[in-house]
Amino acid sequence: NAGVTQTPKFQVLKTGQSMTLQCAQDMNHEYMSWYRQDPGMGLRLIHYSVGAGITDQGEVPNGYNVSRSTTEDFPLRLLSAAPSQTSVYFCATQDTYEQYFGPGTRLTVT
Amino acid sequence: LAKTTQPISMDSYEGQEVNITCSHNNIATNDYITWYQQFPSQGPRFIIQGYKTKVTNEVASLFIPADRKSSTLSLPRVSLSDTAVYYCLVVRYTGGFKTIFGAGTRLFVKA
Repeated sequence: NAGVTQTPKFQVLKTGQSMTLQCAQDMNHEYMSWYRQDPGMGLRLIHYSVGAGITDQGEVPNGYNVSRSTTEDFPLRLLSAAPSQTSVYFCATQDTYEQYFGPGTRLTVT
Repeated sequence: LAKTTQPISMDSYEGQEVNITCSHNNIATNDYITWYQQFPSQGPRFIIQGYKTKVTNEVASLFIPADRKSSTLSLPRVSLSDTAVYYCLVVRYTGGFKTIFGAGTRLFVKA
């Protein structure tokens, strides 16, 4: 089993560009979430989903959109990239109380 | 969700036992305490979870006093590879979840 996979690993965007960070899981978990981690900081929740077709906002949702059409996939869309969105993005699934994190996507916005 | 407070950093030597204490004064009755470990350039990894008293697994022990306002993660005989950031979280399972990660404790193990 691959667990939680994220693509791409690295990405550089110019201000104003849009892009989608991909997240896929093969663990059949209903709960999935997206976090961002800025240097030296803890993780902050962006959006989460409790199942296909159901999403909700986390702590820092502005500038990001999500959708959940299948159990396996939970893409994160940056609508118009800004330098403040430079960060490492982690996708996670949850099995009751334990979260399983992907390897992360390092995004730089210039 | 209850906010957690932990030391910013700790140093230790190989072979020593390390105890990291976390404060969560506003923990609710149905909240659990969970610890994660994060290495550089990786996502956090679950270590241990508990509700009260003591929980032990192959990696660590978690001590939670009766009032549950704090908890202590104990790492026995640390090695250089235990150098990482350790996060204490309060988790509430309500059909959805909003976990809050603090800044964590940076543990540096020296030879």
